[in-house]
Amino acid sequence: DTVLTQSPALAVSPGERVSISCRASEGVNSYMHWYQQKPGQQPKLLIYKASNLASGVPARFSGSGSGTDFTLTIDPVEADDTATYFCQQSWNDPYTFGAGTKLELK
Amino acid sequence: EVLLQQSGAELVRPGSSVKISCKASGYTFTDYYMHWVKQRPEQGLVWIGRINPANGNTVYAEKFKSKATLTADKSSNTAYMQLSSLTSEDTATYFCTSGRYGSSPFDYWGQGVMVTVSS
Repeated sequence: DTVLTQSPALAVSPGERVSISCRASEGVNSYMHWYQQKPGQQPKLLIYKASNLASGVPARFSGSGSGTDFTLTIDPVEADDTATYFCQQSWNDPYTFGAGTKLELK
Repeated sequence: EVLLQQSGAELVRPGSSVKISCKASGYTFTDYYMHWVKQRPEQGLVWIGRINPANGNTVYAEKFKSKATLTADKSSNTAYMQLSSLTSEDTATYFCTSGRYGSSPFDYWGQGVMVTVSS
């Protein structure tokens, strides 16, 4: 299975820029997606195919990368961005998720 | 508006089975895969498998091949997942989520069903 390794928990101040990384154990082309999950809620698609903003998602969110290394960037961070962020690949079966990066605001 | 409405929370006995549902509305049911995802308390997301509602074809992650059975009813736009031989390891929230055919992301998500396995 394709293992996705995410950066550990992060703490940032509102207004700052934050980057969350995701490294795949094998190539996934550009088929890496990012989701935001708040406590008690279902995940929400933010970025699809590495760099495409999902419908209704603020332009503060952006994605980059290809192959095995991918990044989700939030700039500037707002208080409402407190959540866990997951990467997910759909290039190789079975689809897999990263363990999640918990973003906290100072 | 797209909506995936899942059935209610379940409390089930070890060794039993449970079948949970996911009713789709707001899009053409047969144009999207329906996937199922497991999330244990305070843990990450695990992909269980997917079904093509148009023809019933399924793909499962290896570890769920003997645990989960996915079906879909085109007449009612409803997908189902049956979990068998339940143990405490199956206590989790289960999400249905739909995505376009091909290697597409999960566009829409149900609210999740909490399944608790306890005697």
